[in-house]
Amino acid sequence: GAVVSQHPSRVICKSGTSVKIECRSLDFQATTMFWYRQFPKQSLMLMATSNEGSKATYEQGVEKDKFLINHASLTLSTLTVTSAHPEDSSFYICSARPLAGADTQYFGPGTRLTVL
Amino acid sequence: GQQVMQIPQYQHVQEGEDFTTYCNSSTTLSNIQWYKQRPGGHPVFLIQLVKSGEVKKQKRLTFQFGEAKKNSSLHITATQTTDVGTYFCAGLTGTASKLTFGTGTRLQVTL
Repeated sequence: GAVVSQHPSRVICKSGTSVKIECRSLDFQATTMFWYRQFPKQSLMLMATSNEGSKATYEQGVEKDKFLINHASLTLSTLTVTSAHPEDSSFYICSARPLAGADTQYFGPGTRLTVL
Repeated sequence: GQQVMQIPQYQHVQEGEDFTTYCNSSTTLSNIQWYKQRPGGHPVFLIQLVKSGEVKKQKRLTFQFGEAKKNSSLHITATQTTDVGTYFCAGLTGTASKLTFGTGTRLQVTL
């Protein structure tokens, strides 16, 4: 149980285009989902916290107009990288927390974004 | 803001040797979690420690949570090549429900 999927697993796009990444909790409902970014050989950095039915909370330094997050249902959150540039190339990982107040997060397999 | 540091950054051991990574937080944590990330993969949850001074074991892995709940360690006895990867600690504070990941320790094991 507690499986989180991400789609796509890998995407290559041209500079200036927008890319949408989906994060789904397959066998549980997630009131909260988290989006992380990981650059090569670095740690995971939290970008934003996404709560179902409300606006996402962004970490300091993360542009909310560039990284659009939508958490429309209890099993789906999406991250859209708008007008992507090469410096946005990274590994984007989502996680989902089953219940409000629970500490455990289940991580998706990640999406590797390359912007040419 | 909260910072979580790990040392060493990288360690290369021969199979059979022991390995330890240390995790230190700038703030007191409500709990600490450990993850393993294989090259090219995503973080996989290993364990969660909640109580001050808590020690948990998983086969060859021993996890400790410090008395002050600001540090933690992961010790692997008799490493194997399957232990290769980066080990991250991640701290959860009482006031926020989000994880702050440590800087990670990359372990390389050779025969």
